[in-house]
Amino acid sequence: DTEVTQTPKHLVMGMTNKKSLKCEQHMGHRAMYWYKQKAKKPPELMFVYSYEKLSINESVPSRFSPECPNSSLLNLHLHALQPEDSALYLCASSQDRGRITPDSGNTIYFGEGSWLTVV
Amino acid sequence: DAKTTQPPSMDCAEGRAANLPCNHSTISGNEYVYWYRQIHSQGPQYIIHGLKNNETNEMASLIITEDRKSSTLILPHATLRDTAVYYCISAGIQGAQKLVFGQGTRLTINP
Repeated sequence: DTEVTQTPKHLVMGMTNKKSLKCEQHMGHRAMYWYKQKAKKPPELMFVYSYEKLSINESVPSRFSPECPNSSLLNLHLHALQPEDSALYLCASSQDRGRITPDSGNTIYFGEGSWLTVV
Repeated sequence: DAKTTQPPSMDCAEGRAANLPCNHSTISGNEYVYWYRQIHSQGPQYIIHGLKNNETNEMASLIITEDRKSSTLILPHATLRDTAVYYCISAGIQGAQKLVFGQGTRLTINP
């Protein structure tokens, strides 16, 4: 069972709406991620937060706005989306610098995802 | 771009061992090999990872060649619930990760 919790599981929104996806983990991880997955495609990285600071933005359009209020929470704010943004949005977390040993790697754990439909 | 290549699909009979190959010929010395799987409509599930030694856990075994250019994930007694897309990924061990997923292998377990 995943220890990364995402809400809501399903979201339908209009192109003029503002909504947010939420993600929470209590594993003490200091890196958190957003991935986007279209049907029959592999997950694609969107954002990486390390110690609550945005460290990687994979050239994601500004209509997607990530936020990391604290080390356990990660939000993805959505505004003025397009129908082609409909996808499964996956949150993930992992340990970060200072708590990794050569034997442990840096395993990333995923949530079950939020299914987004833009109409 | 993904740094690994996998066959797009495989079939295996229930109860038999499923052996999933992965090529990672450009892997660098400080990169691990990670395996994840994704069952339909669920988030990716971590299976196992390794650096250069073979690894085993309750889910699977990972065999890494001595030159580290390829590996094989072994599900020893496949069940119908193992039907999923399996992803092999190479990534470093330091800091926040940038896992890049390839197309994966769609494994179908047949009764």
